[in-house]
Amino acid sequence: ETGVTQSPTHLIKTRGQQVTLRCSSQSGHNTVSWYQQALGQGPQFIFQYYREEENGRGNFPPRFSGLQFPNYSSELNVNALELDDSALYLCASSLAGAKNIQYFGAGTRLSVL
Amino acid sequence: GQQLNQSPQSMFIQEGEDVSMNCTSSSIFNTWLWYKQDPGEGPVLLIALYKAGELTSNGRLTAQFGITRKDSFLNISASIPSDVGIYFCAGQRRGGADGLTFGKGTHLIIQP
Repeated sequence: ETGVTQSPTHLIKTRGQQVTLRCSSQSGHNTVSWYQQALGQGPQFIFQYYREEENGRGNFPPRFSGLQFPNYSSELNVNALELDDSALYLCASSLAGAKNIQYFGAGTRLSVL
Repeated sequence: GQQLNQSPQSMFIQEGEDVSMNCTSSSIFNTWLWYKQDPGEGPVLLIALYKAGELTSNGRLTAQFGITRKDSFLNISASIPSDVGIYFCAGQRRGGADGLTFGKGTHLIIQP
């Protein structure tokens, strides 16, 4: 049990729609990172939020955006959904510092039809 | 996106056998991590390595951070049925703002 919770657990959308996924970080953690995990692959880094600002981003288009709130919880928003966006979306929280070890939630399974 | 080279892709072993898997990269990482992921769950941290050459154990698991900082291995001794799952290596650069870079995973299957 990592203390990182994600909602919803499963979601079905159609192509072109928009989706919002939510994450509550582990108590005391001030940094949240989001990852996309396609079937049979390792997670791919989308972006990271620290102090409510995006401070790092992977190779994902601008239609992937996020927010971090004062209580360190976070949202991932994806606009104009495409079929290839179907994946497990993982949130990880960490405490900014020398070690910055990331602890993952169970993920949200998104299916785009 | 970039992924680390992790091998083997899958392993079929007998209960009680030792397991070895490794991960290589073309670039340097400051931290190497090993995670295990069970179906329907997120990755769970097993071992974190912070210094080149470091050898760290966690119960029956042992991992090492390569001297070149471009590789790492994970060993599991005397495997048991609950070791079944997918094992991922991950590298992190200093500061961590560019996230973790993962391998494609090693799928461990244990035959009783």
